[in-house]
Amino acid sequence: QVQLKESGPGLVQPSQTLSLTCTVSGFSLTSYNVHWVRQPPGKGLEWMGRMRYNGDTSYNSALKSRLSISRDTSKNQVFLKMNSLQTDDTGTYYCTRGPPITTFDYWGQGVMVTVSS
Amino acid sequence: DVVLTQTPPTLSATIGQSVSISCRSSQSLLHSNGNTYLHWLLQRPGQSPQLLIYLVSRLESGVPNRFSGSGSGTDFTLKISGVEAEDLGVYYCVQGTHAPYTFGAGTKLELK
Repeated sequence: QVQLKESGPGLVQPSQTLSLTCTVSGFSLTSYNVHWVRQPPGKGLEWMGRMRYNGDTSYNSALKSRLSISRDTSKNQVFLKMNSLQTDDTGTYYCTRGPPITTFDYWGQGVMVTVSS
Repeated sequence: DVVLTQTPPTLSATIGQSVSISCRSSQSLLHSNGNTYLHWLLQRPGQSPQLLIYLVSRLESGVPNRFSGSGSGTDFTLKISGVEAEDLGVYYCVQGTHAPYTFGAGTKLELK
């Protein structure tokens, strides 16, 4: 069955770089897009960026200067790296599958990231 | 960026009541390919969001048919015909017609 699972550090110091991994199973990264979406505590959802099935990427312009998404298809993994973290980057980070039509049809459990010294 | 305005922010309902949530877009969500990429998600407390409806009105597999979506252009509605306890949580509309994807602020459905 389709599964996505985020992993990464729960605590990051201000100004440091966040590195997260989304490990997928049940589908191929060369056939489906994968998105990253984040959610500050008690707030709504924010789209961060996307790894397309063909390897192309697109980013939220508000984060583009700090954000990088990459992948390793042999390991079924999509990576998120975001630098210069600040306290308002605290939140839950999700990866989600994004077919063109049924976008966001499967979600990972999310990983909570706290930015604090 | 496209702004999606959801109303109401909070909805109180009794079990069995029918309710509607509105999602209005700052731009038409009709894509040049003829699709309208407006979807609805539900996030239950402590859980990840789940897809309920895609392309305005198409029910995702496994979603009860008490959920329905309608609308076109800039005005969209999610209707729940007979709220059940498991429907409580926050509902989000999301658009993928115009980059970047954007979400509505959410509508919290709670028990009256």
